[in-house]
Amino acid sequence: DTEVTQTPKHLVMGMTNKKSLKCEQHMGHRAMYWYKQKAKKPPELMFVYSYEKLSINESVPSRFSPECPNSSLLNLHLHALQPEDSALYLCASSQGDRANINEKLFFGSGTQLSVL
Amino acid sequence: KNEVEQSPQNLTAQEGEFITINCSYSVGISALHWLQQHPGGGIVSLFMLSSGKKKHGRLIATINIQEKHSSLHITASHPRDSAVYICAVRSTTSGTYKYIFGTGTRLKVLA
Repeated sequence: DTEVTQTPKHLVMGMTNKKSLKCEQHMGHRAMYWYKQKAKKPPELMFVYSYEKLSINESVPSRFSPECPNSSLLNLHLHALQPEDSALYLCASSQGDRANINEKLFFGSGTQLSVL
Repeated sequence: KNEVEQSPQNLTAQEGEFITINCSYSVGISALHWLQQHPGGGIVSLFMLSSGKKKHGRLIATINIQEKHSSLHITASHPRDSAVYICAVRSTTSGTYKYIFGTGTRLKVLA
């Protein structure tokens, strides 16, 4: 299994809603990432979890709250989002071995989020 | 100036043509990835390079560390190759988990 599975594929939410994005991998990877991608732009890193601990937070607003319940799962909790947060949210994973410069990144197919 | 520059930004080719996409970077790197993103979002990692050349089917990726340059070649292009191709580097100073992405090359292959 070399897949990163993201759900849902599409999400429409109002600015007062609370929703969650889910990401799952069963490759034994210990690093998991959230990226945000606006149309025709490259992905922007939001968060990285390494061995289930938050390793990187790229100064993301607190209305985005990541969670890593176990080594296979990564969630992104959303609350009080703004219309400008509408984007494609991509999850990725890698082995998480700092000594291995040859690590490959595996991406999910993303959640297309629209905030009304 | 972006630390990772790709050229061209947009490319239209006829089916069967040989295609080259270029990536230049200005930072020291430990690895460079070529990624493919189809409309609809999902990103697939095509190659990870730290030196030399790799080939997979009709795709060839090369990297010249001294010149800080990488190329992705597609031989005998096909309409299904139409996608955005993204170069991403892991710099030696930004840590294991941070990648610097190029802005992508939009490729359209016409039948």
